[in-house]
Amino acid sequence: RKEVEQDPGPFNVPEGATVAFNCTYSNSASQSFFWYRQDCRKEPKLLMSVYSSGNEDGRFTAQLNRASQYISLLIRDSKLSDSATYLCVVKIYNQGGKLIFGQGTELSVKP
Amino acid sequence: NAGVTQTPKFQVLKTGQSMTLQCAQDMNHNSMYWYRQDPGMGLRLIYYSASEGTTDKGEVPNGYNVSRLNKREFSLRLESAAPSQTSVYFCASSGQGVTEAFFGQGTRLTVV
Repeated sequence: RKEVEQDPGPFNVPEGATVAFNCTYSNSASQSFFWYRQDCRKEPKLLMSVYSSGNEDGRFTAQLNRASQYISLLIRDSKLSDSATYLCVVKIYNQGGKLIFGQGTELSVKP
Repeated sequence: NAGVTQTPKFQVLKTGQSMTLQCAQDMNHNSMYWYRQDPGMGLRLIYYSASEGTTDKGEVPNGYNVSRLNKREFSLRLESAAPSQTSVYFCASSGQGVTEAFFGQGTRLTVV
């Protein structure tokens, strides 16, 4: 079983749609969580960190459920520019800050 | 501010050749990482280094060696390249605690 699992998609949605991505992780020692965005196999860039209380950044909302070992990302009012691959990432402190990526979820927003 | 710098950006090797991918960061980060990314797949961890002088295997270490030369630099070596090592390689660094990782621009390696 992979340490971090995501639905690979692709998700094809119209502009203005709301889309949700899910991610599960298996290592209960995981202590930091992030969503990254990757365009056309360029370097991944941080979209947002994920906090236990949930957090929002404009149209993006991230949630963490430590009991279920589950992370989510919600994108509201999708834009064409949101088309990318979204990567779920966990950081494991007791393994020297090991960073594990999910396989990524591809999003395509259509006009 | 350069962030994470990887060299080279592109490389073509023949099967059996060796090469070293270089990575340097100027953010005073303790942790550094090497990943590979194949089409349709996420980033898979090859090796990482929690601090100067330490290295640990990731998910796919076979065929690779690493050196944490100092706090700034973390190199990845392919001793005898194989076509299965054709991939995009990313180096990253991260500070301690709840801090994100920053990535280099990647090395696109083809082994023929």
